[in-house]
Amino acid sequence: DVKVTQSSRYLVKRTGEKVFLECVQDMDHENMFWYRQDPGLGLRLIYFSYDVKMKEKGDIPEGYSVSREKKERFSLILESASTNQTSMYLCASKRISNQPQHFGDGTRLSIL
Amino acid sequence: AQSVSQHNHHVILSEAASLELGCNYSYGGTVNLFWYVQYPGQHLQLLLKYFSGDPLVKGIKGFEAEFIKSKFSFNLRKPSVQWSDTAEYFCAVIVSGNTGKLIFGQGTTLQVKP
Repeated sequence: DVKVTQSSRYLVKRTGEKVFLECVQDMDHENMFWYRQDPGLGLRLIYFSYDVKMKEKGDIPEGYSVSREKKERFSLILESASTNQTSMYLCASKRISNQPQHFGDGTRLSIL
Repeated sequence: AQSVSQHNHHVILSEAASLELGCNYSYGGTVNLFWYVQYPGQHLQLLLKYFSGDPLVKGIKGFEAEFIKSKFSFNLRKPSVQWSDTAEYFCAVIVSGNTGKLIFGQGTTLQVKP
């Protein structure tokens, strides 16, 4: 069974801090994704990655960056956290074909 | 730009009632379609998917969905809901030639009263 693990379920940070959200998958999937989930807006794609060291902007990349140094790990970075980045963040992974994505449990991030 | 629209944002039903959640997408080419469910406090799980073939697809827990290409729709149905179906439901689309990115609808919160 595919396992996508996000390092924290809940996180509280302050405005201006640099925040790292970590995601690890154990199925050797090529593709990995970061979303944020907000009520009434569904899931919006922040960044995704096809392979190691490769990344592409999603629909709302502003204020975020990502890192993929190893195939199994995809990190989301908030360079200088702001209150409008308070949200639920979901990581997902999948094989390179058009197969379903597998999601982690999510990190509920609050920026004070 | 491609988009996915879920018409119902919040649905309240009694147990044993029938369910239909609407989903429409805007893209004229080949699509792969998905319904995901998120139970309270849990991660998103795949309910069912459509890639090709029979447009009526059956998923887990008695759910089914019908792909109607002429209507750009992929509505989710269940003949008789249970209290345990209380969850948020997301329709999603992968567009052909896309990089495998999922485009999600806004989500529908289903509340089933016992």
